[in-house]
Amino acid sequence: GAVVSQHPSRVICKSGTSVKIECRSLDFQATTMFWYRQFPKQSLMLMATSNEGSKATYEQGVEKDKFLINHASLTLSTLTVTSAHPEDSSFYICSARDQYGEKLFFGSGTQLSVL
Amino acid sequence: AQTVTQSQPEMSVQEAETVTLSCTYDTSENNYYLFWYKQPPSRQMILVIRQEAYKQQNATENRFSVNFQKAAKSFSLKISDSQLGDTAMYFCAFMNNNAGNMLTFGGGTRLMVKP
Repeated sequence: GAVVSQHPSRVICKSGTSVKIECRSLDFQATTMFWYRQFPKQSLMLMATSNEGSKATYEQGVEKDKFLINHASLTLSTLTVTSAHPEDSSFYICSARDQYGEKLFFGSGTQLSVL
Repeated sequence: AQTVTQSQPEMSVQEAETVTLSCTYDTSENNYYLFWYKQPPSRQMILVIRQEAYKQQNATENRFSVNFQKAAKSFSLKISDSQLGDTAMYFCAFMNNNAGNMLTFGGGTRLMVKP
């Protein structure tokens, strides 16, 4: 089956720094990728939809200047948390849609801890 | 907008027994998919089963089956012969085929399989 690789799996950073998370589709072209955030013991909440070669579409309440998304190729989308603060600490998960549009494949997630 | 509701925050079942997890959703769409995802302690999202809304027949995958009631907008998951490895969070999810294929998740049900 299709594989989505997400790195890093865990990152600890100081408040005010920026963190980049990568999401790669390893054996298929992903024209669309999705970024989710999951707080402890809660469900996954969609943050943004990332389309290759165009600007990301952000969900209501998600600051686009804080969560920068770049989808420059058909196999790579990146999420950069800029000027991270402790409240940004969360589990971030990406998913990629295959070319047929019927299935979504998830990355293994990134636990971000901001001190 | 779609909403997905899982009314059981926690469930437990004895090993080898059967358990049913509930899910209801609200949508005005006709063309959509429904999913059940499993999230074990590793937090990797694992697809359990998928149902196309246009199909009347309930989907089955080995020990996992669904009871899809389209008119009632209900999509329950039955796990037969429960195994210790089934212990996880289970999320019901909705995908609108006409709106970019992003998933809307329910709040999740924590299932504990007891030996």
